[in-house]
Amino acid sequence: EIVLTQSPATLSLFPGERATLSCRASQSDTDDLAWYQQRPGQAPRLLIYDVSTRATDIPARFSGSGSGTDFTLTISSLEPEDFAVYYCQQRTRWPFTFGPGTKVDIK
Amino acid sequence: EVQVSESGGGLVQPGGSLRLSCATSGFTFSGYAMGWVRQAPGKGLEYVSVISGSGDRTLYRDSVKGRFTVSRDNPENTLYLHMNSLRVEDTALYYCAKQSSSGFGWVDYWGQGTLVTVSS
Repeated sequence: EIVLTQSPATLSLFPGERATLSCRASQSDTDDLAWYQQRPGQAPRLLIYDVSTRATDIPARFSGSGSGTDFTLTISSLEPEDFAVYYCQQRTRWPFTFGPGTKVDIK
Repeated sequence: EVQVSESGGGLVQPGGSLRLSCATSGFTFSGYAMGWVRQAPGKGLEYVSVISGSGDRTLYRDSVKGRFTVSRDNPENTLYLHMNSLRVEDTALYYCAKQSSSGFGWVDYWGQGTLVTVSS
């Protein structure tokens, strides 16, 4: 099973600041990665798939990058609605797995 | 507009059974793979099972293999998860997960979830 590790566990930032979230895979051939946002009491929402492709209606302030074992989600300027938990997910190998999440909260 | 809505959750004793349903609309159901993802209270996300658009291919995580069965009724646009021999550790919010056009893996639409509680 591919294990995904996310860091940091919590990121405390002000609105308008840049957020950089990391996801590391346990196997180096991981090449299919997505990012999801989950707000309290809501279902997750797909933000980024195929490492760097924004999903439908996702604002341009969200971007994804990386390869091999290290991947990054960047939010260029945090809006109030961006304070949430973010999960990375791989589909290179079944079982598809998620990271434990990074909580972005308001400083 | 794509809609995905789960039902069938509830409280069940260990060893019991439940059948979850997921009613869908707004897309050509048979043209998309579907899946189930669960989230234990206060925890992260876990893929449970996926099924191809035609229903001829299924995948299960090891911890549910032999106990859970995923199926679909394409004319009725409905996905199912039959859960037998339920364990306390199966307690979670179960999400119905529409897979994207690229096949198994990415969930582009989620339901709001149905809660399964396994407890004596």
